[in-house]
Amino acid sequence: DTGVSQDPRHKITKRGQNVTFRCDPISEHNRLYWYRQTLGQGPEFLTYFQNEAQLEKSRLLSDRFSAERPKGSFSTLEIQRTEQGDSAMYLCASRSFSQGAGELFFGEGSRLTVL
Amino acid sequence: LAKTTQPISMDSYEGQEVNITCSHNNIATNDYITWYQQFPSQGPRFIIQGYKTKVTNEVASLFIPADRKSSTLSLPRVSLSDTAVYYCLVVPNTNAGKSTFGDGTTLTVKP
Repeated sequence: DTGVSQDPRHKITKRGQNVTFRCDPISEHNRLYWYRQTLGQGPEFLTYFQNEAQLEKSRLLSDRFSAERPKGSFSTLEIQRTEQGDSAMYLCASRSFSQGAGELFFGEGSRLTVL
Repeated sequence: LAKTTQPISMDSYEGQEVNITCSHNNIATNDYITWYQQFPSQGPRFIIQGYKTKVTNEVASLFIPADRKSSTLSLPRVSLSDTAVYYCLVVPNTNAGKSTFGDGTTLTVKP
């Protein structure tokens, strides 16, 4: 197991199109998180799962955004009707519940560009 | 959630010790202090975490005074590859993911 993997690494789309990102966490990690990061800013929390249950969503996650983790393993983040303001790096992170309060393992991110 | 304040940027030279201080005046009893490092086009990487006094690992030390209203990340003998953004987070013990990163400190190490 080499860590958290995200796919695709880069996505360019036209405004109004739907996009989906996939995250495969470290296999034994039961918590999975999505963050969004724009240029020059720190990552912003979007949502997190414990196993297959989505336990919290940020107000940043508008109704055009949906995240799933159907079997408690990989997760998908879908953005419908993309807008130029959605252009950002979407980061996935995971951790085991038994780890320390803050040790998140991040993937390399999926960079979205909306034209 | 406790807000953190850290310098926007710092410069250093190879071989020097770098200390980055973070203020978190509203830290709660159950909160931990955590630092991450991020290189361009990569996800953040965990560096160190502490609750009080001093914590040391193979890459850094974390100093936390008794009132816990601030913390200092210490990087010994930095190299060019330590040029990165460093984030200080205050993390509730019950839910690590809820914390939002600030804008971090951009450290530039010069030859």
